[in-house]
Amino acid sequence: GIQVEQSPPDLILQEGANSTLRCNFSDSVNNLQWFHQNPWGQLINLFYIPSGTKQNGRLSATTVATERYSLLYISSSQTTDSGVYFCAVDRDDKIIFGKGTRLHILP
Amino acid sequence: DVKVTQSSRYLVKRTGEKVFLECVQDMDHENMFWYRQDPGLGLRLIYFSYDVKMKEKGDIPEGYSVSREKKERFSLILESASTNQTSMYLCASSSAGDRAVDTQYFGPGTRLTVL
Repeated sequence: GIQVEQSPPDLILQEGANSTLRCNFSDSVNNLQWFHQNPWGQLINLFYIPSGTKQNGRLSATTVATERYSLLYISSSQTTDSGVYFCAVDRDDKIIFGKGTRLHILP
Repeated sequence: DVKVTQSSRYLVKRTGEKVFLECVQDMDHENMFWYRQDPGLGLRLIYFSYDVKMKEKGDIPEGYSVSREKKERFSLILESASTNQTSMYLCASSSAGDRAVDTQYFGPGTRLTVL
């Protein structure tokens, strides 16, 4: 089946720093989403981005479907950005999640 | 705002018990999903439903069943709970007319411990 790999697995940054999270997938997909799971376990949709670039405040995402990867950019990190970031791809009506990148923002 | 609620935030059950996890969404979404999340394994799809009384197996359906009698409610049932079903369970819903995945909205999760 399709493989979804996220990197890095863990990231520790100082408040105010920028970061780039990567999601690689092994085959063509119909859709791709980025989620943020906060320290309390709640999963929040960030982007639905099968291709192209989207921006929402300090966050932006780019998916290059032909090269099978997506990037999530976080600028001017805040402590509330801490948590785990997941990408999920949709293929044949099934959703496959990566294992996540755990981001810890230090005050 | 889309709201997806789950019946319990934390649950402790004994091996062999029948367990019901309830999920309710208030946005008239067609699709509803149950996932479990385990360290090192990420989120894995257990079952999903694209309409009332319809259900399809996800990647790890063994040991689980589901019920969707009303559009807003999707129940996950552990017929005989086992310790390896200790996990965080997440429910999600989405609106999609052709079963393609659209933006999914997640509930707060239920952390189930089976002793």
